[in-house]
Amino acid sequence: ELKVEQNPLFLSMQEGKNYTIYCNYSTTSDRLYWYRQDPGKSLESLFVLLSNGAVKQEGRLMASLDTKARLSTLHITAAVHDLSATYFCAVDIAGNQFYFGTGTSLTVIP
Amino acid sequence: DAGVIQSPRHEVTEMGQEVTLRCKPISGHNSLFWYRQTMMRGLELLIYFNNNVPIDDSGMPEDRFSAKMPNASFSTLKIQPSEPRDSAVYFCASSRYRGGGYTFGSGTRLTVV
Repeated sequence: ELKVEQNPLFLSMQEGKNYTIYCNYSTTSDRLYWYRQDPGKSLESLFVLLSNGAVKQEGRLMASLDTKARLSTLHITAAVHDLSATYFCAVDIAGNQFYFGTGTSLTVIP
Repeated sequence: DAGVIQSPRHEVTEMGQEVTLRCKPISGHNSLFWYRQTMMRGLELLIYFNNNVPIDDSGMPEDRFSAKMPNASFSTLKIQPSEPRDSAVYFCASSRYRGGGYTFGSGTRLTVV
């Protein structure tokens, strides 16, 4: 059974600090996606990682993929309140079928 | 593009009633997915279609759930009869086959009382 595990599940961090969210998965895949979900809202695509060693950056967020370790990271630099949301990773199996992680609920406090 | 359009946004119904959720995917996307999101179980894939054909419905929880995609621009998810444990947010998503990621609709918040 495919498992996609994120940690931590809950993260409370102060503004200005750095932190990393981890996404581990249990089967071979070279495609991984990160999504953001605000409370009561839909999921918004953040990053698409399509190969081993892929790194994408947007503002204070940077995502990377290590397919050999079956690990993706989402790094937050100098957090601001607007980044408070739930972040999901999703692993692409068989070309077009996603399995989502458990989500990481991030709260950035002043 | 208007994105993936779902209706209704909210639905409150009584136990035992039939519920139909609707989805219009992005034009040109040939894969469509129905997900259910709850606090307890997170995001669960219910069923997905490629080129209007159901490919994998193993996530459909029971026979009370059924989904159709009569054409490339419309899909329905039906629950009959509905039960309180079906209360959740149901998302529809679409994508181009083999790449590009999913685009999600706004979701339908279903409450069964």
